Amino acid sequence: ETGVTQSPTHLIKTRGQQVTLRCSSQSGHNTVSWYQQALGQGPQFIFQYYREEENGRGNFPPRFSGLQFPNYSSELNVNALELDDSALYLCASSWPGTGDNEQFFGPGTRLTVL
Amino acid sequence: KNEVEQSPQNLTAQEGEFITINCSYSVGISALHWLQQHPGGGIVSLFMLSSGKKKHGRLIATINIQEKHSSLHITASHPRDSAVYICAVRPYYNTDKLIFGTGTRLQVFP
Repeated sequence: ETGVTQSPTHLIKTRGQQVTLRCSSQSGHNTVSWYQQALGQGPQFIFQYYREEENGRGNFPPRFSGLQFPNYSSELNVNALELDDSALYLCASSWPGTGDNEQFFGPGTRLTVL
Repeated sequence: KNEVEQSPQNLTAQEGEFITINCSYSVGISALHWLQQHPGGGIVSLFMLSSGKKKHGRLIATINIQEKHSSLHITASHPRDSAVYICAVRPYYNTDKLIFGTGTRLQVFP
């Protein structure tokens, strides 16, 4: 059973650019959640995808968007990057049908916006 | 006010000491998670609780649903326990979302 993987591990962009982050969910998991963790803070919920549909969203602007693919892997896209978007982006996969809902986290992508 | 509050924010200890980290929350929850985050960012799930107490090795987690409070205890602490410990709750209004505390940074010195 493979764990949650994310790519890339690190990324440097400049203001105004666009970025795509990728997440492969743990085998058998159909739900992926994305979180933003600023330095020294706890993660903040961005959104969740369940069976290729957005299934809940946190307090993030529309320039944060996502996709989930039929194999349940997911992308997070951020347009018009701002300096404050610099953070660790974490994805977590889960299988909601079990009633357990434990989330398994990937190692994160560290994004730096200059 | 954050929905999940942790204390203390920072904690230093000598190897062997008993450690307690506290978490209070203000929303109705279906579960509470204790997570460990090492430098570099990876998060590992330690416990998921909805009532009572759980133990795994030197780690013990308790929760009091009526008081909306949970504690994580580390017995016989070791330098390898140095990490950020994060409490996260799963609210009733969205049971697939986690609301995180800001974490407690623990450093255990030999």
